Amino acid sequence: DAKTTQPPSMDCAEGRAANLPCNHSTISGNEYVYWYRQIHSQGPQYIIHGLKNNETNEMASLIITEDRKSSTLILPHATLRDTAVYYCIVKGVNNNDMRFGAGTRLTVKP
Amino acid sequence: NAGVTQTPKFQVLKTGQSMTLQCAQDMNHEYMSWYRQDPGMGLRLIHYSVGAGITDQGEVPNGYNVSRSTTEDFPLRLLSAAPSQTSVYFCASSYRYNSPLHFGNGTRLTVT
Repeated sequence: DAKTTQPPSMDCAEGRAANLPCNHSTISGNEYVYWYRQIHSQGPQYIIHGLKNNETNEMASLIITEDRKSSTLILPHATLRDTAVYYCIVKGVNNNDMRFGAGTRLTVKP
Repeated sequence: NAGVTQTPKFQVLKTGQSMTLQCAQDMNHEYMSWYRQDPGMGLRLIHYSVGAGITDQGEVPNGYNVSRSTTEDFPLRLLSAAPSQTSVYFCASSYRYNSPLHFGNGTRLTVT
């Protein structure tokens, strides 16, 4: 079973920041928070991951609360091409521990 | 650099037929894995491999076989297809067992 809880759907206006929340209240000390997205019927695409500290890359920012029980993925300037299902995943060291839930369907609107 | 390549893109099988879904990566990744995705559900791990000659079972391995004779290739075999295996299958690879995954674009399989 997935160890995370995400809203099933969200909308965002084009050009605005998209903030996608994720709850992972049972996360263990050695588990990472990963974000992937799946555009239409393509394969999932890695976005970002973190352990304790906030992380930023060219695609997004990841904000993890101090108690690590929740996190937020931020797409700073959403475009129509960011419309996708976003998966928040908690996993340990090994990729075979990765469990995908149902994710959040983000729709970016003009 | 093609990334992760899956063939075929689409396949229709009759119950009881066998087939092999192909997966190849050209990134010299150690770790490879197979997932299936059913409507409205997340991806579920079928089998994985941490290197050539090493494979192991994931969450839903029944009805599927794999082998890893080379670093590049990780085929998934259905020995006797069943309608319950109708799904979209994704292959993924990563540099190591704990690195971010790179996914192929999937094989859409229908078993009638």
